[in-house]
Amino acid sequence: DTAVSQTPKYLVTQMGNDKSIKCEQNLGHDTMYWYKQDSKKFLKIMFSYNNKELIINETVPNRFSPKSPDKAHLNLHINSLELGDSAVYFCASSRLAGEGETQYFGPGTRLLVL
Amino acid sequence: GENVEQHPSTLSVQEGDSAVIKCTYSDSASNYFPWYKQELGKRPQLIIDIRSNVGEKKDQRIAVTLNKTAKHFSLHITETQPEDSAVYFCAATPQKLVFGQGTRLTINP
Repeated sequence: DTAVSQTPKYLVTQMGNDKSIKCEQNLGHDTMYWYKQDSKKFLKIMFSYNNKELIINETVPNRFSPKSPDKAHLNLHINSLELGDSAVYFCASSRLAGEGETQYFGPGTRLLVL
Repeated sequence: GENVEQHPSTLSVQEGDSAVIKCTYSDSASNYFPWYKQELGKRPQLIIDIRSNVGEKKDQRIAVTLNKTAKHFSLHITETQPEDSAVYFCAATPQKLVFGQGTRLTINP
C-alpha cells in the first residue's frame, strides 16, 4: 500500500494554464507539506498544513494556492503557469507538526511548462 | 532563518571504500538533523537522523555525527556498494526542514 501518493505523476502544459496536483496519505498523519525541487535538485518547502490548518507559508507567488479538504489530503493549485514553475513537486507527511518528526515523501509530480 | 550548507556537491568513491558528506547549519536552535537519500527519478527517503542530545548514531554501514558547538554534522557510509549511488541531502530544523544542496554520490565498481 502506498503511504503518500500523488497525482498526476507527470504534467505537461502550456504557459498561462491552470493546473492542480493532488496528494493523499494513508498513514493517519496530522501534518502535510508541499516541496518544490528545481532542476538543480534543490529541495525547498512551500507550504505545510496541520490538521487542515495552514502553518507554514513560505515566500511563494500567490499563483500557488494549497488546499486541505481533510487531514489526509493536500492539493496544490497553480494559476497562470510560468516557465519557471517547471520542477518536481513533492508532497510529504509527518505524524505531527514540529521539529523532530520524520517526513515521508510522495513519489513526486514532474511538471513541465512549455 | 536556518541556512544549511552541504559539501561536496559530487563525490566519487571506489566500491568498498568509505564516503563522507558534511553539512553546516546556522541556527543554534536546530535540534533535529535527518539525512535523505534520493535515487534517480525517485522520492527522497530518510536513511538516518540524529537529535541534538546525542553526538553519534549508527545503523549498519551508515553513521551520522553531530557537533553542536561547531554547528556541523556528517554522514559516513562504510563499505560502499553500487546501490549507494544516489543524491544525499542533509537537513536541519528548528521548525521546518531546511535542506542542504545535495551531494551526488557515485560508487565506481
